[in-house]
Amino acid sequence: AQSVTQPDIHITVSEGASLELRCNYSYGATPYLFWYVQSPGQGLQLLLKYFSGDTLVQGIKGFEAEFKRSQSSFNLRKPSVHWSDAAEYFCAVGSTYNQGGKLIFGQGTELSVKP
Amino acid sequence: GAVVSQHPSWVICKSGTSVKIECRSLDFQATTMFWYRQFPKQSLMLMATSNEGSKATYEQGVEKDKFLINHASLTLSTLTVTSAHPEDSSFYICSAEAGGAFFGQGTRLTVV
Repeated sequence: AQSVTQPDIHITVSEGASLELRCNYSYGATPYLFWYVQSPGQGLQLLLKYFSGDTLVQGIKGFEAEFKRSQSSFNLRKPSVHWSDAAEYFCAVGSTYNQGGKLIFGQGTELSVKP
Repeated sequence: GAVVSQHPSWVICKSGTSVKIECRSLDFQATTMFWYRQFPKQSLMLMATSNEGSKATYEQGVEKDKFLINHASLTLSTLTVTSAHPEDSSFYICSAEAGGAFFGQGTRLTVV
């Protein structure tokens, strides 16, 4: 069955520290992979996506993610976290057929940033 | 990136009434849009796929007579929650495909 797992429900990091949010997927076909960020009561903003090519993907707000097919992972990283990064982060997988329009989401990871 | 606008942002309605939520693609045409539902502190669950000019495709367990979807144009899909009840209270989010999924701002529905 297709699924996305974000093992960490809640993570707290200090401002300025590095961040890594984990994402593992189970998908029969070649996946399209996404990371989204959601502030409370808001919609989702696309941080980055992976379709093919270079497995290290750069996104907005200084985020990057690395696709590792052998580990079925697509972890999100940021070298230095800012207080404004506190939010909910969702990893998602879509099919190549519709270029990722129909998505399966992970459970989300809530990020807290302490001063 | 592509812009998707959702309206209203929040709505309160009485139990038994119907509520319509609009999802518009502002700077592109979308033959396909998607409707998701999100409960508090939970992930997004796909409810249905909205297809322009044809019937929507509903996910297993979603009542198509409860959640009516109309995709009458290439830039507009609507979700109508019919005979709403308190258990329908949730956050509804639409998305449209444009080289990836772009989401609206979401609609907070509260049924009292």
